[in-house]
Amino acid sequence: DAKTTQPPSMDCAEGRAANLPCNHSTISGNEYVYWYRQIHSQGPQYIIHGLKNNETNEMASLIITEDRKSSTLILPHATLRDTAVYYCIVRVSNNNNDMRFGAGTRLTVKP
Amino acid sequence: GAVVSQHPSWVICKSGTSVKIECRSLDFQATTMFWYRQFPKQSLMLMATSNEGSKATYEQGVEKDKFLINHASLTLSTLTVTSAHPEDSSFYICSARDYGTGNEKLFFGSGTQLSVL
Repeated sequence: DAKTTQPPSMDCAEGRAANLPCNHSTISGNEYVYWYRQIHSQGPQYIIHGLKNNETNEMASLIITEDRKSSTLILPHATLRDTAVYYCIVRVSNNNNDMRFGAGTRLTVKP
Repeated sequence: GAVVSQHPSWVICKSGTSVKIECRSLDFQATTMFWYRQFPKQSLMLMATSNEGSKATYEQGVEKDKFLINHASLTLSTLTVTSAHPEDSSFYICSARDYGTGNEKLFFGSGTQLSVL
């Protein structure tokens, strides 16, 4: 699986959009970009994933650059409950393998 | 979405005792489950892959005789920490994938905080 690079921490004001970047310059053609988050003392929660097109669901939007070497997770209106560690993971879909977690980005939403 | 239930949420035990953690897929069948360990302020580290009806596959550096994994059914995997020591104190998390729907997502349990005195 391709390696990802994320900033260790970010702050965001409550009600504003949180934009979390992820670099994955060695991504291969059949690898998807997944985003999970982990709120303190809980298991990771799936947010969104995509291959090359931008994706949106009830939680967030995922913007993938045309060359697929980086992506951005957007939380459109961050709340205090969005404070968590956000993990960007690149992996081949529909295989038997686990998720390999990097250090992630610790997002702190401030009032 | 699919639900993975993990029990207990937390456990405190004496050094030398064994602790069993259960991971259940509540509304889907999971031929493969994964066990992770997480130390404070660190990321999740894969310990082993649990395969229904066969032996688990352990990551390098994880003692298979200390962390016993049993995956006897399509909805249940257990992790037993044998002869626990204080250095085994950690947050243990399981995950599973819902193959039935071709779902690419992994679903995670809520985790078990183990404290060994």
